[in-house]
Amino acid sequence: QQQVKQSPQSLIVQKGGISIINCAYENTAFDYFPWYQQFPGKGPALLIAIRPDVSEKKEGRFTISFNKSAKQFSLHIMDSQPGDSATYFCAASPYNYGQNFVFGPGTRLSVLP
Amino acid sequence: DAGVIQSPRHEVTEMGQEVTLRCKPISGHNSLFWYRQTMMRGLELLIYFNNNVPIDDSGMPEDRFSAKMPNASFSTLKIQPSEPRDSAVYFCASSLISTSGHYNEQFFGPGTRLTVL
Repeated sequence: QQQVKQSPQSLIVQKGGISIINCAYENTAFDYFPWYQQFPGKGPALLIAIRPDVSEKKEGRFTISFNKSAKQFSLHIMDSQPGDSATYFCAASPYNYGQNFVFGPGTRLSVLP
Repeated sequence: DAGVIQSPRHEVTEMGQEVTLRCKPISGHNSLFWYRQTMMRGLELLIYFNNNVPIDDSGMPEDRFSAKMPNASFSTLKIQPSEPRDSAVYFCASSLISTSGHYNEQFFGPGTRLTVL
């Protein structure tokens, strides 16, 4: 029940295309959903995050869509660029004092020039 | 701000040896997290501290693993004795959590790549 599922495992997109990564969870106590971006040799860095009181959040080319009833959320990268090539992790956390994150297994995105 | 600092960046050791990983969180942050990343298991939370006190160590795989946070600016993760299956990248992250529990970003360090031969 603590698991966060993520798909696809890897994704190849042409420059200018849309990248879509999907995540699903079971624990209804989760109510904070961040996405982290990791470049090779670096630590993960927060990209964008959402609470379930909204169904969508957009920051520049990055959009999170959230479906509370289906317990699913997804990351959309519009106009994908080669510089977006990285591994993306979705995560989930219950609203508690500890921010105990559960991470998805990650999606390796490659954007071809 | 220098961000989260981890040392060493790379560690190669032989099975049975003691390994100590170090982390300096971002100044002013009150929470610190240790993660392990492998291809097979992804990113796993090992332990986290709040105000230097361990809150949840349920992710620590075995008694061979121990973590300490003697003060707000330093933490260690020790593996003794080390085994080849401990080979992974170990990340430290820090965060500022307000008393109301409001979410704040976890900032990750660059990681320590551990290889146990």
